[in-house]
Amino acid sequence: ILNVEQSPQSLHVQEGDSTNFTCSFPSSNFYALHWYRWETAKSPEALFVMTLNGDEKKKGRISATLNTKEGYSYLYIKGSQPEDSATYLCARDNYGQNFVFGPGTRLSVLP
Amino acid sequence: NAGVTQTPKFRILKIGQSMTLQCTQDMNHNYMYWYRQDPGMGLKLIYYSVGAGITDKGEVPNGYNVSRSTTEDFPLRLELAAPSQTSVYFCASSYAAEAFFGQGTRLTVV
Repeated sequence: ILNVEQSPQSLHVQEGDSTNFTCSFPSSNFYALHWYRWETAKSPEALFVMTLNGDEKKKGRISATLNTKEGYSYLYIKGSQPEDSATYLCARDNYGQNFVFGPGTRLSVLP
Repeated sequence: NAGVTQTPKFRILKIGQSMTLQCTQDMNHNYMYWYRQDPGMGLKLIYYSVGAGITDKGEVPNGYNVSRSTTEDFPLRLELAAPSQTSVYFCASSYAAEAFFGQGTRLTVV
């Protein structure tokens, strides 16, 4: 069973601060990595899908990088806002056969 | 190992057939969820439950039913399978900052 880990488990930042968190995963037979923004009892919002080593994706103030050789991805949020408060999930896509999700990083942005 | 267990992993159904996707967690989590993921799309919430005996509709509940008679189990029922229900289904549970997902059930309706 693949193990996808995320750190930190939770994070509190002040409005305007920039922050980042980590997703680590087994690097062998890598296919794709997904990042989601998830608010409880809602559908997770897909943020990025990354497949190539060195990929960098950006969506507004949120960006992500991917290192498939060492098995990690970083998610960055620049100038955090209270509406960024959510749980951020990463998932490793195993050739579309199954997804393995990390436990998530819970971000709280304090006004 | 503790976690969320989904069965089956794969299933092919004929149009009009019914089936139940099983989901069990042994972490005593109150919150449980069912999602579907269609190719190229994000996860869509079908139903969720905040505890035994309580269920609520999510974003795409039509064609599905759920029950939550125990904290551990949250089965998803398809009564009359349709091709539009071809998807990958994920069960999840959560507590505080952590979410745990099952490995998914790939369902094809033909």
